[in-house]
Amino acid sequence: DIQMTQSPSSLSASVGDRVTITCRASQDINTWLAWYQQKPDKVPKSLIYDASTLQKGVPSRFSGSGSGTDFTLTISSLQPEDFATYFCQQYNSYPFSFGQGTKLEIK
Amino acid sequence: QITLKESGPTNMKPTQTLTLTCSFSGFSLTTRGVGVGWVRQPPGKALEWLGLIYWNDDKRYSPSLKNRLTFTKDTFKGQVVLTMTNLDPLDTATYYCAHSPPENLYFDFWGQGTLVTVTS
Repeated sequence: DIQMTQSPSSLSASVGDRVTITCRASQDINTWLAWYQQKPDKVPKSLIYDASTLQKGVPSRFSGSGSGTDFTLTISSLQPEDFATYFCQQYNSYPFSFGQGTKLEIK
Repeated sequence: QITLKESGPTNMKPTQTLTLTCSFSGFSLTTRGVGVGWVRQPPGKALEWLGLIYWNDDKRYSPSLKNRLTFTKDTFKGQVVLTMTNLDPLDTATYYCAHSPPENLYFDFWGQGTLVTVTS
């Protein structure tokens, strides 16, 4: 099974900051990676798929990159509504798996 | 517009069998490449992938739950059913169903989730 490890587990940042979250796969997953945003007590929301393709309607301040085993989610200029928990997910091979999440908090 | 909604019991006892229904609209599970998946999230914890059922009735399960999980679909009703046997308190979680778009395997639309609590 492929293990997904996110870093950091939590992060404090300010509105306007540039933030990067990392996701590492335990084996090569090509670009079969998605990112989700989840606000407290809300449903996960798809942000990015295929490592770098922005889901329709997602602001352009979100971007994703990487291939193979190392991936990043970048928010270019944090907005108040971006404070949430972010999860990566690999869908290269079964069982598909999620990272443990990165909680982005207001500094 | 794609929507999904989970329904089922909220309180269960250990050893019981859980049946959750995902009712969906805005797509058909007869469309080539489409899937409906299940994900759960224990309170305060990470998302856990449970599996997927595809348009062609192919099914994939999490190995850690494979012996306890079953997915079925009713394309006419627009429903997918999850059955989980031999419940344990560790199965307490919010259960989500989600849409997997044609020829891709991530989840683009999610249901609202339903919290299932397993306690004696």
